[in-house]
Amino acid sequence: DTAVSQTPKYLVTQMGNDKSIKCEQNLGHDTMYWYKQDSKKFLKIMFSYNNKELIINETVPNRFSPKSPDKAHLNLHINSLELGDSAVYFCASSHSQGRGNGYTFGSGTRLTVV
Amino acid sequence: AQTVTQSQPEMSVQEAETVTLSCTYDTSENNYYLFWYKQPPSRQMILVIRQEAYKQQNATENRFSVNFQKAAKSFSLKISDSQLGDTAMYFCAFMKRLNTGNQFYFGTGTSLTVIP
Repeated sequence: DTAVSQTPKYLVTQMGNDKSIKCEQNLGHDTMYWYKQDSKKFLKIMFSYNNKELIINETVPNRFSPKSPDKAHLNLHINSLELGDSAVYFCASSHSQGRGNGYTFGSGTRLTVV
Repeated sequence: AQTVTQSQPEMSVQEAETVTLSCTYDTSENNYYLFWYKQPPSRQMILVIRQEAYKQQNATENRFSVNFQKAAKSFSLKISDSQLGDTAMYFCAFMKRLNTGNQFYFGTGTSLTVIP
């Protein structure tokens, strides 16, 4: 009964490949997010998405694209992977209304591009 | 734009002692939320404590408490009776509400080591 689940937990792939990371939440949240955590542990927002709007961080390369088949899922597709894409990617979700309980995070996906 | 500053990249504390992690932020918002998240070596991001800006009372969760100074835009985390399991990266975060979801701003983190 994991609240926010990401798969896979580890992903090793070669440069130039296309890969996807899946995220599912069962909390009934209406907004989902993708974050990138670099080697210095800095967390950088990539996307936020709810049923109203997709907000893209303008610094994210267009090789990255979120896909949301429904409100409980927000998958991350990455085309033409580069060495610099190696990082830990976190999915998170939250309510856009309510008590401001903050994010619930997935356990992260460590992506290594070789 | 909002910024969150954690000025202590690394800290250490003896087991059973008390440690305080500092966090300052900059915002023109009046209504917002503040959080501390913990990231142990397992990598999972765990919510430690939250504070609503309109509440003057400092939040407390067991051994964790905050010192929220709204005028000074300061939000420090105090860990009492430190335990080995507290060893982790700690992130301070500022959140404001938007119609399209919550917008978070994270600090750069403080790596805390609890020494046996």
